[in-house]
Amino acid sequence: KAGVTQTPRYLIKTRGQQVTLSCSPISGHRSVSWYQQTPGQGLQFLFEYFSETQRNKGNFPGRFSGRQFSNSRSEMNVSTLELGDSALYLCASSRDPGSGANVLTFGAGSRLTVL
Amino acid sequence: DAKTTQPPSMDCAEGRAANLPCNHSTISGNEYVYWYRQIHSQGPQYIIHGLKNNETNEMASLIITEDRKSSTLILPHATLRDTAVYYCIVRVARNGGSQGNLIFGKGTKLSVKP
Repeated sequence: KAGVTQTPRYLIKTRGQQVTLSCSPISGHRSVSWYQQTPGQGLQFLFEYFSETQRNKGNFPGRFSGRQFSNSRSEMNVSTLELGDSALYLCASSRDPGSGANVLTFGAGSRLTVL
Repeated sequence: DAKTTQPPSMDCAEGRAANLPCNHSTISGNEYVYWYRQIHSQGPQYIIHGLKNNETNEMASLIITEDRKSSTLILPHATLRDTAVYYCIVRVARNGGSQGNLIFGKGTKLSVKP
């Protein structure tokens, strides 16, 4: 079955611009989480969506936002880009059984460079 | 979620078993141990998870001590493609609540050498 698909894979923006990244989860997966990975901070949780609702949010400024559509696809948006936003942005989906163990499947990521 | 401690790096000869340790001394009874790995510039990949008993799948084995304060991930016959950063994560299984916010530490960088 198809994995988690993230688009675009690579993009370059300049400071002050905004960017939208897209994530298509595995069919049947209802939960989508977003992570930012930088060399200095490692993998950090951004937010999680379930049934079109944000269920949890990490410690990032309000410039980072996201949403989930009725088909579970998700987008994240970063406004007023800063140089420090350059990172690999990863999306993960899970079946979210509601109880017990929950395994995340990650996409290949979107690599954002801010100049 | 309990904190984990892993060695920053390890080497392993190709074809030999790679044993990656993880300490999680503050783990509570309803927390699972998960292992993920990340090969350079790719998304993390799930390997295995367990609660109390030892687990084995096609990728690896997970050995959890009886007191659950530590665990070991075993790759039985490491290949060059197993070179990656391995993350041990302890996570409570929430009923109906958020489960997508894993806390990744720095992991162990495993280098498999020919």
